[in-house]
Amino acid sequence: AQSVTQLGSHVSVSEGALVLLRCNYSSSVPPYLFWYVQYPNQGLQLLLKYTTGATLVKGINGFEAEFKKSETSFHLTKPSAHMSDAAEYFCAVTLTYFGNEKLTFGTGTRLTIIP
Amino acid sequence: DTGVSQNPRHKITKRGQNVTFRCDPISEHNRLYWYRQTLGQGPEFLTYFQNEAQLEKSRLLSDRFSAERPKGSFSTLEIQRTEQGDSAMYLCASSFSGGLTGELFFGEGSRLTVL
Repeated sequence: AQSVTQLGSHVSVSEGALVLLRCNYSSSVPPYLFWYVQYPNQGLQLLLKYTTGATLVKGINGFEAEFKKSETSFHLTKPSAHMSDAAEYFCAVTLTYFGNEKLTFGTGTRLTIIP
Repeated sequence: DTGVSQNPRHKITKRGQNVTFRCDPISEHNRLYWYRQTLGQGPEFLTYFQNEAQLEKSRLLSDRFSAERPKGSFSTLEIQRTEQGDSAMYLCASSFSGGLTGELFFGEGSRLTVL
């Protein structure tokens, strides 16, 4: 079975500082990996995804993530935090052989931006 | 806006009552998913439809829960004899099976509070 672990349920960074949200996955077969963002009282929105090919993927709002198979990681980064980045972030995994998009989510990381 | 629509957005009910949630997916999407999200947790998969066929149900979906997608368009999730433990955000998502992009499009959710 597949799973994801997000280290740190709460992360606080100063505006303009580097954002690093950690995600490690467990999968017996090549996974598809995702980061979703959830703003208060809103649904989840896809930030970026890794399926195949380039291991460094860029997403919306200046976020990027790198798939590292040797470390089973898919950490999310942004060079300079903005106040509007405050939200909850979820890492998710699905397995290619499912043939559908059934995602397994991590428990989430709440990002707070300090002015 | 032709995104995923969920109704009602909020439902407060007394223990033992039945509730029904409706999800209208993006019109060209043939796959529809229901997830449940409790406070401090990531979304958990409940069930999945491809067109009108319910192809998978999670063990989380007890006998009191039933989901339908009668014409392959909108879907309903009914919870009978609600319990306090059913209090959660119920999320609907849709996708198109034309290619395994891995992306789910989420609605804003229906929040259930059972008193």
